[in-house]
Amino acid sequence: GQQVMQIPQYQHVQEGEDFTTYCNSSTTLSNIQWYKQRPGGHPVFLIQLVKSGEVKKQKRLTFQFGEAKKNSSLHITATQTTDVGTYFCAGQKGQGAQKLVFGQGTRLTINP
Amino acid sequence: SAVISQKPSRDICQRGTSLTIQCQVDSQVTMMFWYRQQPGQSLTLIATANQGSEATYESGFVIDKFPISRPNLTFSTLTVSNMSPEDSSIYLCSVRSPRIDNYEQYFGPGTRLTVT
Repeated sequence: GQQVMQIPQYQHVQEGEDFTTYCNSSTTLSNIQWYKQRPGGHPVFLIQLVKSGEVKKQKRLTFQFGEAKKNSSLHITATQTTDVGTYFCAGQKGQGAQKLVFGQGTRLTINP
Repeated sequence: SAVISQKPSRDICQRGTSLTIQCQVDSQVTMMFWYRQQPGQSLTLIATANQGSEATYESGFVIDKFPISRPNLTFSTLTVSNMSPEDSSIYLCSVRSPRIDNYEQYFGPGTRLTVT
């Protein structure tokens, strides 16, 4: 079945350093989404990428969708303590009712 | 966006008993899902709750263990039946945006279940 692999599993950085998490799918995706889950919280939608090679930015966060629509990355520039949490990618294979398959998540911790 | 509430927020249950979790959405949505998340792990889809018909279960999950109701477009319940300690987890209700070509999902706050 469809699998979405995400690395690294954990990342610890000093505040102000950059952070990147990578997501790879075994199959071509119709779209990929990124979610953030704060400790003790529930996943919150960050962004959706649909087009091949798409790049989207949200302030210090940059999201990319690969040309083959099989991989994606989330890059955070100059991390802040508010960035702490687990970042999940989630891929959807088809349109409409197809389910989301979540990656394992990357847990980000930050040393202030 | 959709606002989702879940009840109970947490519970401690004895093995062999059942717990029903309620999910209420503040707007009508077509797609509603139930996920399980064990501590420090990713989200695993249990089933898609279909309004007016039987839920669609993922591999490894069966209706007898996780019966689901979806009486209308704003409400669903998930029952965890004949619980064992392995069922200890966080159970999350989720809905998909009703907007065309927008596949983002919103999650409820979760129900933290501990089975002793």
